[in-house]
Amino acid sequence: AQSVTQLGSHVSVSEGALVLLRCNYSSSVPPYLFWYVQYPNQGLQLLLKYTSAATLVKGINGFEAEFKKSETSFHLTKPSAHMSDAAEYFCAVSKLNTGTASKLTFGTGTRLQVTL
Amino acid sequence: DAGITQSPRHKVTETGTPVTLRCHQTENHRYMYWYRQDPGHGLRLIHYSYGVKDTDKGEVSDGYSVSRSKTEDFLLTLESATSSQTSVYFCAISALETDTQYFGPGTRLTVL
Repeated sequence: AQSVTQLGSHVSVSEGALVLLRCNYSSSVPPYLFWYVQYPNQGLQLLLKYTSAATLVKGINGFEAEFKKSETSFHLTKPSAHMSDAAEYFCAVSKLNTGTASKLTFGTGTRLQVTL
Repeated sequence: DAGITQSPRHKVTETGTPVTLRCHQTENHRYMYWYRQDPGHGLRLIHYSYGVKDTDKGEVSDGYSVSRSKTEDFLLTLESATSSQTSVYFCAISALETDTQYFGPGTRLTVL
């Protein structure tokens, strides 16, 4: 079985400060890993994904994440927070089930607050 | 944005009534999914489809059924709604088994 743990349901940073959102996963096979962002009253939008190519993955809006197999982590970072980054962020893991859909398992989410 | 629409966007219903939510895509993607989102739980998979008339259960399928008679439409039915099914429901699509899932705007369902 696969699972995802997001440490910290709420994170608050000042505008211009580093953003670090933590994600640890459990998977019995090499995983695919995703970060999604959800703005209020909207659906989920893909930020970035890891699919066993480069371990450092760059996404949209200046976000990036590093896959660390030894730590089973896939933390999301952004060097300088902007007010528009305030949203809820979800980490997700999937594995390939040959012949059927690849099902995502989501973490419980981290709400990012950005203050002036 | 992926061409995914969900209807209705908001619905209030009473316990014991049947409810059907619709997901419609214009991308011709093979895979479609229904999730529910609840505080403290993230998103949880209800059912998914890997082709017309091909569906399977997710982790929280009890009380839900689905149907897919056309590539573009995936219906989620609550046969007899309960208050525990009050949630926000999201549809997602993907082209390949390993491809990114793209999400619709969601349907907020309240069961009184």
